[in-house]
Amino acid sequence: SQQGEEDPQALSIQEGENATMNCSYKTSINNLQWYRQNSGRGLVHLILIRSNEREKHSGRLRVTLDTSKKSSSLLITASRAADTASYFCAPVGTGFQKLVFGTGTRLLVSP
Amino acid sequence: DTEVTQTPKHLVMGMTNKKSLKCEQHMGHRAMYWYKQKAKKPPELMFVYSYEKLSINESVPSRFSPECPNSSLLNLHLHALQPEDSALYLCASSQDEQAPLMTEAFFGQGTRLTVV
Repeated sequence: SQQGEEDPQALSIQEGENATMNCSYKTSINNLQWYRQNSGRGLVHLILIRSNEREKHSGRLRVTLDTSKKSSSLLITASRAADTASYFCAPVGTGFQKLVFGTGTRLLVSP
Repeated sequence: DTEVTQTPKHLVMGMTNKKSLKCEQHMGHRAMYWYKQKAKKPPELMFVYSYEKLSINESVPSRFSPECPNSSLLNLHLHALQPEDSALYLCASSQDEQAPLMTEAFFGQGTRLTVV
């Protein structure tokens, strides 16, 4: 299955702390994408990391990819209450593939 | 313009009604998607259109009927829905020219559908 599986399912931290969430997948990928969804709204693309990349940064976000372990992690540094959301990974295989989301990690950042 | 616009934002319909959800993008994207999302669950893919042709149907019941009249528009026609079809319906688009999903997908804010 192309679907990713996120861990943990829920994460509760204080503002200023770092948040790490993990994604595991089973098939070979072309790239892996991370999305954020605020409650009841559309998904917002955060980062796309390609299979030949190991690490990527975007502002307070850091994504790593280990293709040998078929896993990726998303690190949010110095979290803010506004980071409260669900985070989904989407591993994308080769050829025409579907954008399929895992179960997600629900992040709660308390002031 | 990097927006995907979905209308309406909210829809309440009876089980015998016929309604349509609309999705529009002006980014020149050639792939468009419909997702269904229940509360506290991830979005589930329903349909994928590539170059205005239906390329993926995830075994969706026929009471959901997609349509792509042109490269900017995507509709989802609804007929004889059940209360369990109540959900957030999300539309998305991506570049999808030579290498599908090599770039990000853009999502609309969704239509919150309630079937009574």
